[in-house]
Amino acid sequence: DAGVTQSPTHLIKTRGQHVTLRCSPISGHKSVSWYQQVLGQGPQFIFQYYEKEERGRGNFPDRFSARQFPNYSSELNVNALLLGDSALYLCASSRQGTRVSPLHFGNGTRLTVT
Amino acid sequence: QKEVEQDPGPLSVPEGAIVSLNCTYSNSAFQYFMWYRQYSRKGPELLMYTYSSGNKEDGRFTAQVDKSSKYISLFIRDSQPSDSATYLCAMRGGNTDKLIFGTGTRLQVFP
Repeated sequence: DAGVTQSPTHLIKTRGQHVTLRCSPISGHKSVSWYQQVLGQGPQFIFQYYEKEERGRGNFPDRFSARQFPNYSSELNVNALLLGDSALYLCASSRQGTRVSPLHFGNGTRLTVT
Repeated sequence: QKEVEQDPGPLSVPEGAIVSLNCTYSNSAFQYFMWYRQYSRKGPELLMYTYSSGNKEDGRFTAQVDKSSKYISLFIRDSQPSDSATYLCAMRGGNTDKLIFGTGTRLQVFP
């Protein structure tokens, strides 16, 4: 079975630009979450979406937004990019529903803002 | 104070050694505990997933949770050079995908 897939793998943007990152969850997983991982740190939670509804939001500015599509894939959008947004952006999926289930991560999109 | 504390290392051990990795946490609401392995330029890979206190074994890996001390551990037996990676502990409260991670411990196993 295919794992969580993310695109693109690498991206270079200029300050002030906008970026869209994409994620396809594991087949059968209805929950998608986004995390930001800065070099040398553990991932930080940005958003969770389940059945197209936002289930949780981390401590990130409104420049960050996301959505989930009927096929459970997801997009993360970041507006007005800052140098500090340079990081590895990870997508994770789970079966999340009435039972708690583990998260499985993709290999991430490495975003560099210059 | 961070919710989850983890020594960043690096930890360098010879092949065949037993490795002990640890995290402490402050939030007593955490119920689910995970260990992930992350190779350079890759995403975190789930190694162990445990609920509440106790031990769980899977091959060369053993996860321990002590909720009374707010302390979790991962033991790796017969360590191999291929185990060289960053090990992240993570935890959460209830039915949410919001994980709180430690900073990760970098492990190097030399032949």
